[in-house]
Amino acid sequence: GEDVEQSLFLSVREGDSSVINCTYTDSSSTYLYWYKQEPGAGLQLLTYIFSNMDMKQDQRLTVLLNKKDKHLSLRIADTQTGDSAIYFCADFGDSSYKLIFGSGTRLLVRP
Amino acid sequence: DAGVIQSPRHEVTEMGQEVTLRCKPISGHNSLFWYRQTMMRGLELLIYFNNNVPIDDSGMPEDRFSAKMPNASFSTLKIQPSEPRDSAVYFCASRSQGAGNEKLFFGSGTQLSVL
Repeated sequence: GEDVEQSLFLSVREGDSSVINCTYTDSSSTYLYWYKQEPGAGLQLLTYIFSNMDMKQDQRLTVLLNKKDKHLSLRIADTQTGDSAIYFCADFGDSSYKLIFGSGTRLLVRP
Repeated sequence: DAGVIQSPRHEVTEMGQEVTLRCKPISGHNSLFWYRQTMMRGLELLIYFNNNVPIDDSGMPEDRFSAKMPNASFSTLKIQPSEPRDSAVYFCASRSQGAGNEKLFFGSGTQLSVL
């Protein structure tokens, strides 16, 4: 079955860029997603990328997709303390409805 | 829209008791999902409904778990009897299937503690 993997932890200084990485095993997804989870809250859809795109930029967020290597990344420019959260990548694998989530990367932004 | 609404936010119960979690999906969404989140297993899909019909319940841990969706605006997840290992955050999510980009929207979750 589909497997989505992420590193568990990332610590950056406020104002620096953060890069969160994700690898997946199934390449049939039409879209790939990034979700953000703040403490005590649900998952909030942050951004997504269509599978035939290499890059998508949305304000401070840049998503890069390397389909050959099955690698997805999320870059947050000018990281702020409010960006501290857990970030999940997700895709549908070979399913039309079952969104498979990575284990999440906990981002800590130091002042 | 108020988003996906779950209740209660927190539930503390004793082992053996029945627990009922509730969810109101976003109006107009025709697909509903129940996920469970734990430190050990991450996010697991428990059950998926489409047009109020359960399509995939392969993630339901065992017979103690049951879910219903009597209409398009309400779903329940019931655990009877509850056990300490059921302690987790349970999320409900909904989306509009067939609309193109299949964005999934989550509720705030129910933090369940079984003592």
